[in-house]
Amino acid sequence: DAKTTQPPSMDCAEGRAANLPCNHSTISGNEYVYWYRQIHSQGPQYIIHGLKNNETNEMASLIITEDRKSSTLILPHATLRDTAVYYCIVRGFNTNAGKSTFGDGTTLTVKP
Amino acid sequence: DARVTQTPRHKVTEMGQEVTMRCQPILGHNTVFWYRQTMMQGLELLAYFRNRAPLDDSGMPKDRFSAEMPDATLATLKIQPSEPRDSAVYFCASGLVQGFGNTIYFGEGSWLTVV
Repeated sequence: DAKTTQPPSMDCAEGRAANLPCNHSTISGNEYVYWYRQIHSQGPQYIIHGLKNNETNEMASLIITEDRKSSTLILPHATLRDTAVYYCIVRGFNTNAGKSTFGDGTTLTVKP
Repeated sequence: DARVTQTPRHKVTEMGQEVTMRCQPILGHNTVFWYRQTMMQGLELLAYFRNRAPLDDSGMPKDRFSAEMPDATLATLKIQPSEPRDSAVYFCASGLVQGFGNTIYFGEGSWLTVV
């Protein structure tokens, strides 16, 4: 699976959009980009995933660049409850399909 | 609301004791993962199963750790004997792997303290 790079931390004002970047320059054609978040003391929570098109669900939007080497997770109206560690991972398929490696993630702090 | 269930949620044990953590994956999911999380190492993949068969346990210390899936509704992670350095949160996750891409869902974790 491709390696990802994320900034270690970010701040965001409550009510504003939070834009979390992720670089995955070694991504291959059959690998998806997944985003998870982990709120303190809880298990990681799935947010969204995509292959090459932009995606949106009730939690967030995912913007993937045309060359697929980077992506941005957008929380349109951040709340204090969105304070968490956000992980961007790339997952593909081979003989040992489904293996996922989490990096250090981005710690997002939403401030009042 | 389907979810991955882990037991125990918290466990304090003495060094040398056997510890068994259990996981009930989401019904219908064919892949189960075991992760360990510590402050120093972050989230590490220990092992995972597909259709109950172990696919990769390269992240797991072989001398004291073992992972099994006795049936499709139960995955176990055993530590024998336990050591203080095993203190961590152990997460189980499950997913339905079909074709390219898959989403995995995590349990709330088993918080292990070995004293």
